[in-house]
Amino acid sequence: EAGVVQSPRYKIIEKKQPVAFWCNPISGHNTLYWYRQNLGQGPELLIRYENEEAVDDSQLPKDRFSAERLKGVDSTLKIQPAELGDSAVYLCASSVGGLGQPQHFGDGTRLSIL
Amino acid sequence: TQLLEQSPQFLSIQEGENLTVYCNSSSVFSSLQWYRQEPGEGPVLLVTVVTGGEVKKLKRLTFQFGDARKDSSLHITAAQPGDTGLYLCAGGLEETSGSRLTFGEGTQLTVNP
Repeated sequence: EAGVVQSPRYKIIEKKQPVAFWCNPISGHNTLYWYRQNLGQGPELLIRYENEEAVDDSQLPKDRFSAERLKGVDSTLKIQPAELGDSAVYLCASSVGGLGQPQHFGDGTRLSIL
Repeated sequence: TQLLEQSPQFLSIQEGENLTVYCNSSSVFSSLQWYRQEPGEGPVLLVTVVTGGEVKKLKRLTFQFGDARKDSSLHITAAQPGDTGLYLCAGGLEETSGSRLTFGEGTQLTVNP
């Protein structure tokens, strides 16, 4: 089966510019996650979707971050405006069901803010 | 304060040596997962443990979940250069029914030929 697909793989922007990341989960996976991974650290959850509903967005910085999952399949994560501290790898994952189920990760988008 | 503490943070060994990495917490987890991540890629699931005291083996890798479901260990026998990577433990807190996966900061393992 095809894995989780993310694009772009790399993005370099100047601070205060907007940026968007796209994720296509594994077919049939109803749960989708966005994580941020800083260098030398483990991933930190930003938002979790069950189908098209955001069921856990408590760690999403809502002043500048937004996400959507139209039709419960693909998802986009947006940052506007980007700040220097947003430089990180943004990972998307999907699973069948949420509670304790194995998560399948994409290869991430590496964001660099100049 | 990190909810899941992994140790050591870095480990560099020679091919053929054995090693153990640890994942500890003061919280109880409904399940715990181990992932391996290589540079430029996302984490890949190695194993899930759900029962206190559970031991799972995956070829040369042995995973153990503590009796109280607060800690776990990963033991690698006769390490090979292909084992090099970032090993991450991740737990679903019992108090949230495991709905949110919390990751440790990882152990960066380097196996030298």
